[in-house]
Formats: sequence, C-alpha cells, structure tokens
Amino acid sequence: SAVISQKPSRDICQRGTSLTIQCQVDSQVTMMFWYRQQPGQSLTLIATANQGSEATYESGFVIDKFPISRPNLTFSTLTVSNMSPEDSSIYLCSARTGGETGELFFGEGSRLTVL
Amino acid sequence: GQNIDQPTEMTATEGAIVQINCTYQTSGFNGLFWYQQHAGEAPTFLSYNVLDGLEEKGRFSSFLSRSKGYSYLLLKELQMKDSASYLCAVMDSNYQLIWGAGTKLIIKP
Repeated sequence: SAVISQKPSRDICQRGTSLTIQCQVDSQVTMMFWYRQQPGQSLTLIATANQGSEATYESGFVIDKFPISRPNLTFSTLTVSNMSPEDSSIYLCSARTGGETGELFFGEGSRLTVL
Repeated sequence: GQNIDQPTEMTATEGAIVQINCTYQTSGFNGLFWYQQHAGEAPTFLSYNVLDGLEEKGRFSSFLSRSKGYSYLLLKELQMKDSASYLCAVMDSNYQLIWGAGTKLIIKP
C-alpha cells in the first residue's frame, strides 16, 4: 500500500498567480499521476509524472500551464500557472503500486478556489 | 471512442441491497476498478476485476462480464456511511485508466 500526503489541502488564489502543490508518498513508487476533479464530476487525468524526465500530458493539458516535477520516486509537484476561475477544482495526486494493473492510491486532494 | 457509463444517482434504504451498474467500451481491457469517494475526500479502492465472474469482499461484491462490457458493484446490508460516489474505471490496452462519471448513492434511513 501507499500513503500519499498532499499540501496545501486547500487554498484561495488570486487570478493570474501560480500555485505549486506538493505530493509525498511514503514509499518508492514507479508511477505517479496528477488528476483534476471539478465539482460533481469524475476524475480527469492531467499527466503522468515521470521520474527524471518530462511529464506525459493528456490531451488538453500543456506543460506551460501545468508544469510538473518528479525529482525522485517518492515526490512530485504540480504547478497551476497563471490561474483563472476556470482552474478552481480539486487536484489529486495518485500513485500506483504493484505494476501496471496495481491499485491506484490517492492523496487527500488540494481544493483550489481562484477568485 | 472510449466510454464508461454508469447511473448518475441512486437512492436506497438502510439495510437493503443496491446494485450499481457500469458498462464500458474501451480500446482493449486490462481490468476494471471500483472506487468509493465520500464527499470532499479522495477516492479509495474497493475492487479490481480482470476475469469474468463475481468477486466478494465482505458486504461489497463486484461482477464482470468482459463479453458484455459490463460490471456491477453490489452493496449489501447498506449502512448510512455507504452514502458516497462510486466510480467505475477501466484500464485500456495502454494501461490507462478511463473513468466513469461516478454514481452518487444516497442512503435513506
């Protein structure tokens, strides 16, 4: 199993600013992911955080807007850049253990409100 | 395209049984997951099915039919704490998870 800690848990941000969300896993994991979940909706994958290389982004998400770092096998950050009210959402860090079909564990999420 | 369908909302009575259905169309199949998500919290893993049949885990069971592209989550002896959203997710041939929109389950006393 894996325990994932995210911070901040919530924040209120001003339009045009950027915020970095940190994700710490209590064990080394091969795969880490960043999701967005807008109110009342399901999960949308933003990107796969690759250790030591550039993240792999899903359609509709770009590195300039959502830069991601993953310096080692237990830590990753997601930055939401130049925020607008449309970026108000819950951002979830997740990690997979046990291979490609292993269970996906989630952090508690970071609830961002952009004014 | 890839698609996961599940009902938006269901209501059931405490102590009863409820079945949440999920149908899918994906590019390949490497298993189906069910997650539970309480309001304001992160999703938590419930089950994983990759072979046809029923997997039972306490009050919760999950069924899969790959030929029909169909799964269900069965919750027995419902408790108020079971009020949550239940997310169906299918892993495609590239090991990417395709998520359904979730079923909000409301339990009434």
